Amino acid sequence: KAGVTQTPRYLIKTRGQQVTLSCSPISGHRSVSWYQQTPGQGLQFLFEYFSETQRNKGNFPGRFSGRQFSNSRSEMNVSTLELGDSALYLCASSLVAGGEFNYGYTFGSGTRLTVV
Amino acid sequence: DQQVKQNSPSLSVQEGRISILNCDYTNSMFDYFLWYKKYPAEGPTFLISISSIKDKNEDGRFTVFLNKSAKHLSLHIVPSQPGDSAVYFCAASGINSGNTPLVFGKGTRLSVIA
Repeated sequence: KAGVTQTPRYLIKTRGQQVTLSCSPISGHRSVSWYQQTPGQGLQFLFEYFSETQRNKGNFPGRFSGRQFSNSRSEMNVSTLELGDSALYLCASSLVAGGEFNYGYTFGSGTRLTVV
Repeated sequence: DQQVKQNSPSLSVQEGRISILNCDYTNSMFDYFLWYKKYPAEGPTFLISISSIKDKNEDGRFTVFLNKSAKHLSLHIVPSQPGDSAVYFCAASGINSGNTPLVFGKGTRLSVIA
């Protein structure tokens, strides 16, 4: 079956711009989570959506937002980009909220965002 | 406040030897722990998990040990192979606490030298 698809794979934006990243979960998965990975900081939780509702939110400023559509696809938006937003943004999906008991989440390959 | 800690940023091991990756956690509500492996330019992939009701789980060359009293878990890879070279992330969740999102450590880069 198709995995988690993230688009685009790479993105270069200018400071102050806004960006939208897209994630299509595995078919049938209703939970989508977003993580930010930066060197030395590991994976930091942004938010989780389940059935179009935000279930959990990490400790990120309000410039980071997301949404989930009725087909479970999700988008995250970052407004007023800062240099420090340069990171790999990972999307993960699972059947149930919080991850599957046996394997947690299935991750996509990520979107590499560079802010210049 | 880092709830999941991997204190070794990197580890080098000879091929055929044992690799031991360590992870500590602070939140006593965590009851489910996972290890993920990540290659460059790819997303993390699930490796092995353990529930807090167990103290060991084994899958082929990979074994995870959990010491709840010490809030410590470790991943053992025996024997280590060059293809195991990757970044390993420890993650924890509170499955019985309302399905909290996975909390990850900062990762340990394992290099297996042939």
